[in-house]
Amino acid sequence: GAVVSQHPSRVICKSGTSVKIECRSLDFQATTMFWYRQFPKQSLMLMATSNEGSKATYEQGVEKDKFLINHASLTLSTLTVTSAHPEDSSFYICSADSGTGGNTIYFGEGSWLTVV
Amino acid sequence: QKEVEQNSGPLSVPEGAIASLNCTYSDRGSQSFFWYRQYSGKSPELIMFIYSNGDKEDGRFTAQLNKASQYVSLLIRDSQPSDSATYLCAVTAGGNNRLAFGKGNQVVVIP
Repeated sequence: GAVVSQHPSRVICKSGTSVKIECRSLDFQATTMFWYRQFPKQSLMLMATSNEGSKATYEQGVEKDKFLINHASLTLSTLTVTSAHPEDSSFYICSADSGTGGNTIYFGEGSWLTVV
Repeated sequence: QKEVEQNSGPLSVPEGAIASLNCTYSDRGSQSFFWYRQYSGKSPELIMFIYSNGDKEDGRFTAQLNKASQYVSLLIRDSQPSDSATYLCAVTAGGNNRLAFGKGNQVVVIP
């Protein structure tokens, strides 16, 4: 099946610094990728839709200047958490849409971010 | 009203029994419905997807969709300890395969 890879799987950063998370579709091209955040014991919350070659579409309440999304190619989207704070500590998950029919959405393994 | 609601609390079932999970959604225009399983600390993995009214069976899992009543359910037959996880209902909303998730139901299968 299709594979979506996220890197890093775990990252610890200091408060005030920025951290970048990569999402790659390994065996298909994805014009659309999605970024989710999940706090402990809560559901996945969609943060933004990443569109190749254009600006991301952010969900209501998500700061676009804090969570920078770049989808520069059909196989790579990046999420940069800028000026990270402890409350940004969460599990960040991406998914990619292969658009091949049936179930077309594939999830990455997720990235644990801890801001200290 | 939340887009996708899963209101049941943790569900404990004996090994071999049937686990039943329910989910309701608010957008009548939703076309695709998914059930994901998520183990603690891991990313969701797809269990079932369903597009049409009625039942869809895959092994020990059966998804049921009723668009008129706006609910989708998941049955897990012959529950196994490895089925212990959180089950997330997801519905496509707003086009572009944007998924809206419910809060999830924790299932604990007791050996």
